[in-house]
Amino acid sequence: QVQLVQSGAEVKKPGASVKVSCKASGYTFTSYYIHWVRQATGQGLEWMGWMNGNSGKTGYGQKFQGRVTMTRDTSISTAYMELSSLRSEDTAVYYCARGVPVSSGRYFDGDFDYWGQGTLVTVSS
Amino acid sequence: QSVLTQPPTASGAPGQRVTISCSGRSSNIGSNGANWYQQLPGTAPKLLIHNNNERPSGVPDRFSGSKSGTSASLAISGLQSEDEADYYCAAWDDSLNGVVFGGGTQLTVL
Repeated sequence: QVQLVQSGAEVKKPGASVKVSCKASGYTFTSYYIHWVRQATGQGLEWMGWMNGNSGKTGYGQKFQGRVTMTRDTSISTAYMELSSLRSEDTAVYYCARGVPVSSGRYFDGDFDYWGQGTLVTVSS
Repeated sequence: QSVLTQPPTASGAPGQRVTISCSGRSSNIGSNGANWYQQLPGTAPKLLIHNNNERPSGVPDRFSGSKSGTSASLAISGLQSEDEADYYCAAWDDSLNGVVFGGGTQLTVL
């Protein structure tokens, strides 16, 4: 069965960086896009960006341009999301989600069929 | 303020049918597929409807989606207590070059 298992909760100080991992199993990692979405406590969902699991090509939301980096290690079927220059407003649960197959070319699709369990990132001095 | 507009709350009695709307623009729902997610308290979102009206396997046929122009709707028939959750619509936005979400609708089963 398809699973996305994320790394554990993090506490960071303002200005620091955080790197969240998302280990995929149950499917061919390189065959799908991976997206990252975050959710502040009591708030709605906010999309951060996408990554082609095969080529590693990425696309980031305008709000996160220059601060977010999405990478992958295909040897261990794991995606990473690193967010830098953290501020208190970045306190949220961060989710990875599987997108559509890369063969479709449709990175531009909000269809996420499997999600990780979420990683709470707390930014506090 | 979210790019896609949803009512903040909705409610219905068990067995009833409820509809949740999602209003967008030509750059998002008007030109791309709408997707719906259900989020139970403390859990990750779950895909309910993709590409406007398609149900992933395992999603009950009580859930249905539709799209007309720049708006999409999620209908839930035969409402059950376990349907109490937050519901989000989502679509790619060609102008913003990213996925946009609605603000979410909290559904209460009376």
